[in-house]
Parts: sequence; C-alpha cells; structure tokens
Amino acid sequence: AQSVTQLGSHVSVSEGALVLLRCNYSSSVPPYLFWYVQYPNQGLQLLLKYTSAATLVKGINGFEAEFKKSETSFHLTKPSAHMSDAAEYFCAALQMDSSYKLIFGSGTRLLVRP
Amino acid sequence: DAGITQSPRYKITETGRQVTLMCHQTWSHSYMFWYRQDLGHGLRLIYYSAAADITDKGEVPDGYVVSRSKTENFPLTLESATRSQTSVYFCASLGTSGGDLGTDTQYFGPGTRLTVL
Repeated sequence: AQSVTQLGSHVSVSEGALVLLRCNYSSSVPPYLFWYVQYPNQGLQLLLKYTSAATLVKGINGFEAEFKKSETSFHLTKPSAHMSDAAEYFCAALQMDSSYKLIFGSGTRLLVRP
Repeated sequence: DAGITQSPRYKITETGRQVTLMCHQTWSHSYMFWYRQDLGHGLRLIYYSAAADITDKGEVPDGYVVSRSKTENFPLTLESATRSQTSVYFCASLGTSGGDLGTDTQYFGPGTRLTVL
C-alpha cells in the first residue's frame, strides 16, 4: 500500500532562514504528489503539486519542491522564512486508482522565530 | 458563495447520538471526499463519492454513513457517536479540467470540529 512519511512533526526556523520540510513516499510507480498548508482553524490550501512534468515545482508564497525518484522524496523548501509561514504542512500522494483519494503524511508544524 | 462549505463548523454531542455533518460545493465537481484529521495521523479518508448515488468506503469507514442524492451535497452521518469520533472533519471535492483527474486539485472545506462527550 502506498504511504507518505514526513520526517519531523515540528520544525523551527528563524525568520529569514531556509525552510526545509521533508517528505518521502513509498510507491513502485512514481505518484502524483502534493503539498498542502493548513493555517490555524482553516481548511487545507494547495501549495504545489507534482504531476510528472518538471521535477522542480514552484508553488505559491515562494515555496518549491523537487521530485527525486532515486530518493523517493518530495521535500518542500523556501529560501527565506516569513512569520506568516507558520502553519502545518501536509505532504500527500494520490492513490493511483479510480478513487483519486489522497494519502497524507502525518504533517509537520512549522514554527518561525522572530 | 462559490466554493466548498461545511456546516456546522463546531459541534458538541453526546455518546450515542446521531450527528450529521453537511458539505456543499458549488462547482459541480464529480468527486467528493470526507476525511478526518487526528493528531499524529494526518488526514484519513472516511468515504468518497465518484458521482451522485455512487459512494465507497475509505480507510476508516466504521461508524459512518454517507449519501449523495445530489452532486453538490455530500452529508456524513455518525449513526451513534462515540468518543473515538471526536475529530476535525474535512470535506473535499475534486475538480476536473477535462483531462486527467489525477492532475486536478482537491479543494477542501474549512472543517467541522466535532466533540463527542
């Protein structure tokens, strides 16, 4: 069964520092992959998605992610953290069947220190 | 308003009571989903629907019932609520650009926070 692993339930960075949130997937077939962000008391908002086009995907708010098949990874990065980036981030893989359901990682809470 | 809405946003109920959570989308998306969010588990799929009158179980369906008589609505019912069903519930719908549904985006509602006492 397909699974998604996010390393680190909490990541803390200083404002202006690099943000790196890790995501690994397990699938024999490279899946479609997504990063969502959840602000407090809100739903999930799509940051970016990989759908087998370019391996480096740019998203909203300055985030990007690189799909690496050899490492089965899809890590999320942002060069310079902003206070407004503090939120929970979820990596997800599309179940490759007719259900189109998303398999989510357990989430990483990003804390940004002033 | 366009988009996907959920009601109520907050609900407190007692063990054994029946509760229905509502989900409405204005896009006429064919696919709709119910997920629950619990600490340490991310989001897990409860049920999904590929179209009106077509529903199927997800990862954690026990204790839940769904229906989809109209494309735009996808209510989730807890027939006899238990404390383990205390969670935040998210509804989502999947748009189609006419091509591969896998490349489309799942849009999420704002969630319903349910507490079962």
